Amino acid sequence: EAGVAQSPRYKIIEKRQSVAFWCNPISGHATLYWYQQILGQGPKLLIQFQNNGVVDDSQLPKDRFSAERLKGVDSTLKIQPAKLEDSAVYLCASRLLAGVDGNIQYFGAGTRLSVL
Amino acid sequence: QKEVEQNSGPLSVPEGAIASLNCTYSDRGSQSFFWYRQYSGKSPELIMSIYSNGDKEDGRFTAQLNKASQYVSLLIRDSQPSDSATYLCAVPRGGYNKLIFGAGTRLAVHP
Repeated sequence: EAGVAQSPRYKIIEKRQSVAFWCNPISGHATLYWYQQILGQGPKLLIQFQNNGVVDDSQLPKDRFSAERLKGVDSTLKIQPAKLEDSAVYLCASRLLAGVDGNIQYFGAGTRLSVL
Repeated sequence: QKEVEQNSGPLSVPEGAIASLNCTYSDRGSQSFFWYRQYSGKSPELIMSIYSNGDKEDGRFTAQLNKASQYVSLLIRDSQPSDSATYLCAVPRGGYNKLIFGAGTRLAVHP
């Protein structure tokens, strides 16, 4: 079974530029999450999708961050314009929902963003 | 009070010893708990889940849950240098189970 795919793995941009990250979850996983992990901290949820609908974006800085999940599969997360404090690893995770292991979230390799 | 708290470490143990990692949580209604391992520069990887009070063993790993004390721990027996990583405690929250993570405990196993 293929895991959660993310791209790019690394991105370096200057502040005020825009950037986009892509995620392809495990096939059949209805729930998709974007987390931000700042160095030395645990991941923090930015946005959560159930199929193609947003169920939690309470921690998403909506003035600069946006995300979509078209057709309930792939998702993109965009930052425009980026700030220095956005430097972090952006992790995508997915969850099946059903079955004994339905609560388990599987993480992609992440995108490491450096804002200069 | 943070929702999930962990000692940031580093926790240094000699090879072959037992490493004990601790986590406390604030929501008394929490029902499930997860331990993720994260190697430097890598993504979190689930190593243990626990739902009931008591112990759950999987190989060298044992998770312990005490809901009355709002405390969950992870024991690693016969620690190996390859166990050196950050261990994240996570608790689901909300109807769609977003994970609330602790800051993680860095474990260093030295030969």
